[in-house]
Amino acid sequence: NAGVTQTPKFQVLKTGQSMTLQCAQDMNHNSMYWYRQDPGMGLRLIYYSASEGTTDKGEVPNGYNVSRLNKREFSLRLESAAPSQTSVYFCASSEGQGFLPYEQYFGPGTRLTVT
Amino acid sequence: KQEVTQIPAALSVPEGENLVLNCSFTDSAIYNLQWFRQDPGKGLTSLLLIQSSQREQTSGRLNASLDKSSGRSTLYIAASQPGDSATYLCAVTNNAGNMLTFGGGTRLMVKP
Repeated sequence: NAGVTQTPKFQVLKTGQSMTLQCAQDMNHNSMYWYRQDPGMGLRLIYYSASEGTTDKGEVPNGYNVSRLNKREFSLRLESAAPSQTSVYFCASSEGQGFLPYEQYFGPGTRLTVT
Repeated sequence: KQEVTQIPAALSVPEGENLVLNCSFTDSAIYNLQWFRQDPGKGLTSLLLIQSSQREQTSGRLNASLDKSSGRSTLYIAASQPGDSATYLCAVTNNAGNMLTFGGGTRLMVKP
């Protein structure tokens, strides 16, 4: 039982390049989330998917797109990377729909640097 | 807009001490509050989840309390161990259930 997995673990991009961060969970959870973590700012929600086929914006969605490919997978795409998107990205999943009332389980993170 | 604050930002204690981590939030209309642990370079692990109708939750040496009306939660760690060294984050879910807001975390170091 792998839980929540993320690929890649590390990535360096140049400004303007695009990439997709992959996330998969094997717990049959309904909801999935993408967060970014910056020093001193805690985690901020980028996008979430309360159920297969739905996605909603979080606190900081600009510059990102997401796809809920199926119940297991939720990807995050940067179309034109900017240095401000240098961060650690975490994917999470939860049994419930949305944020109620279940725990969230987190992946190990992707460390992205944009130069 | 909900704001979550954790004080102190960093804490160093000798092994065996009991300690308290603090979390405060500005909007008391919350659905639940979670405490997480994050080890360096790793993801988050959920420690305790307190529903808004609850006052506290316990798991082993950990006890989390919630005072929704005053916008505060505390995480009590009994008999701290070096293995407890990590960053501890609290997060609140709003009543609508569509937003989870994190605090900046408290970095704990327990010295042998």
